[in-house]
Amino acid sequence: DIQMTQSPSTLSASVGDRVTITCRASQSISNWLAWYQQKPGKAPNLLIYRASNLEDGVPSRFSGSGSGTEFTLTISSLQPDDFATYYCQHYNSYSYTFGQGTKLEIK
Amino acid sequence: QVQLQESGPGLVKPSQTLSLTCTVSGGSISSGGYYWTWIRQHPGKGLEWIGYIYYSGNTYYNPSLKSRVIISVDMSKNQFSLKLSSVTAADTAVYYCAREKLGAAVDYWGQGTLVTVSS
Repeated sequence: DIQMTQSPSTLSASVGDRVTITCRASQSISNWLAWYQQKPGKAPNLLIYRASNLEDGVPSRFSGSGSGTEFTLTISSLQPDDFATYYCQHYNSYSYTFGQGTKLEIK
Repeated sequence: QVQLQESGPGLVKPSQTLSLTCTVSGGSISSGGYYWTWIRQHPGKGLEWIGYIYYSGNTYYNPSLKSRVIISVDMSKNQFSLKLSSVTAADTAVYYCAREKLGAAVDYWGQGTLVTVSS
């Protein structure tokens, strides 16, 4: 089984900060990686697919990069609406694993 | 705009079978190109992928749940369903139905439904 490990588990930041969340795979997953944002009591929302493709309607301050085993989600300038929990997910039809999540808190 | 809505009992007794249905509107399950998916989230915890069904009837399940899971589709009603047998308290979770666009991850989610396993 492929394991996905996110870091950090919790991140404290301020509005306007640039933040980066990392997701590491236990083996190469090419670019089969997605990033989601989840707010309390709500379903997750897709931000990035295929490691670096921005989902329609997602603000351009979100970006993703990486391939193989190391991936990053970057928010270029934090907005108040961005404080939430972020999950990475490996997917490829026959293998699916979520990271454990990164909670982005207001400093 | 595609919408998904879960329905089913919110309380299930231990050892029984959890049954949920997802009704899809704004798009047809039979159109192809998507995996119709179930994902769950234990209270206060992360996300766990359960499995999917393709319109052809092909399924794929999380190996850790495979012995207890059946996902089926009813294209006449534009619905797909989850059955999880022999439930325990560890199956208490919010269950989401969702659509995975092939190659592009899960792009639509239901609102989620809390299922509690308790006697």
